[in-house]
Parts: sequence; structure tokens; C-alpha cells
Amino acid sequence: DGGITQSPKYLFRKEGQNVTLSCEQNLNHDAMYWYRQDPGQGLRLIYYSQIVNDFQKGDIAEGYSVSREKKESFPLTVTSAQKNPTAFYLCASRIPTDREDTGELFFGEGSRLTVL
Amino acid sequence: DAKTTQPPSMDCAEGRAANLPCNHSTISGNEYVYWYRQIHSQGPQYIIHGLKNNETNEMASLIITEDRKSSTLILPHATLRDTAVYYCIVRSRGTGTASKLTFGTGTRLQVTL
Repeated sequence: DGGITQSPKYLFRKEGQNVTLSCEQNLNHDAMYWYRQDPGQGLRLIYYSQIVNDFQKGDIAEGYSVSREKKESFPLTVTSAQKNPTAFYLCASRIPTDREDTGELFFGEGSRLTVL
Repeated sequence: DAKTTQPPSMDCAEGRAANLPCNHSTISGNEYVYWYRQIHSQGPQYIIHGLKNNETNEMASLIITEDRKSSTLILPHATLRDTAVYYCIVRSRGTGTASKLTFGTGTRLQVTL
């Protein structure tokens, strides 16, 4: 079945270590997004990419990096520069809105990162 | 994209209709209203969207006011499984539009017996 797969689901890391979260989609979507969610809070946009080899900073990009070398993949690296990395991370994708589609976002199940 | 305002929480009795309001007074003519919901610790799920006409699907109905400055998501017969955080967002469509797709804090709907 088509969908978005995030891995790992749970991740523990020591402070100061970089960590990479995986996001893979087989929906043939061009646009992909990374959001961060803290307890009791909404989703905040970290990075987004509308096409391969191109990405833009969202509202809270500091301390994070991404790459988009393949259409299907949009990994997020949480670097040691991120001051409060413990959070729930969500990846999403959608077809660009200039085509005939609902424009809806499809989300993965999330990755919960805990920094000890 | 226009900003939205939602009440932080609402309660609804099981079997009754849940009416979730959203204010988007700065919405522009080419912006759609989208609703998503997030059940605890899962990824958000698309519910419905609309431009200016009322919309209905198997999950919910969306009522948009004539001036488009507000909308209401209606779950006609709420069940315990509808307990979730509901997000209302507005965004534009069209070639070349920037698509940051920002979410607010949403409305936490608690369905009770």
C-alpha cells in the first residue's frame, strides 16, 4: 500500500550527538515536509521541499538539516546545535496544488526523539 | 497563508453532533480551508476541505460562512474514537504558491459517554 514511512518510531540519544530521522514515501508526491510537535502544542514547520534537490527553511529550522536527493526520501538530521531536540517529529507529503488533487497532506506515524 | 483561531478545547457527548469553529478573518480569495485531526501520538489525518461552498464527505461536513471569515466542522454523530485534536488551516492553491502549511494549536475535542 502507498504511504509514508518514518523510522525509527522511538529514538534515544545522548546530548551532543547528531541523529538522522528517516522519511520515505511511495506516493509519488513532489512536496515533503518536516514538522516538530512538543507536548500539548501544535505542529511547527522545520523544513519543506517542493522538488528534488531543493528545500526551504520553515519556521524553526535552526539546529536541523535536510537533504532531498531522491523524490521518495527526505531525511532530517537533528544536529547538536539544536538546543531542545526532544520532541515528536512528523513527516508529510503531498502533490503540489497546481495539479488536480485535494492538496491534502499525508502524514507518517512520527518519530519520537528523546535526548538524555 | 491566513492565520486561524480555534478554541483550545471542547466537549461533546457521544452520539451528539460536534461543531468545531474556526475563525479565519484574513482569508483571501484563493485560499482554501482544510481540516485535519490528530489522535494522540499519531500523525494528523486529513478530514475535509472547501473554498466557499459547504462540503460533506463520509467523515464530516464543512460549513463556510458567506463572507468566508469563519467555518465550522461538523461531526454529525460523535463517537469516542473522534476524541482528538482538530486543526483548521487555510492555504492557497495555484501554480507557484509558497506552501509552508503552518498549523496552529488546534481544538482538543473530548467525546464523553
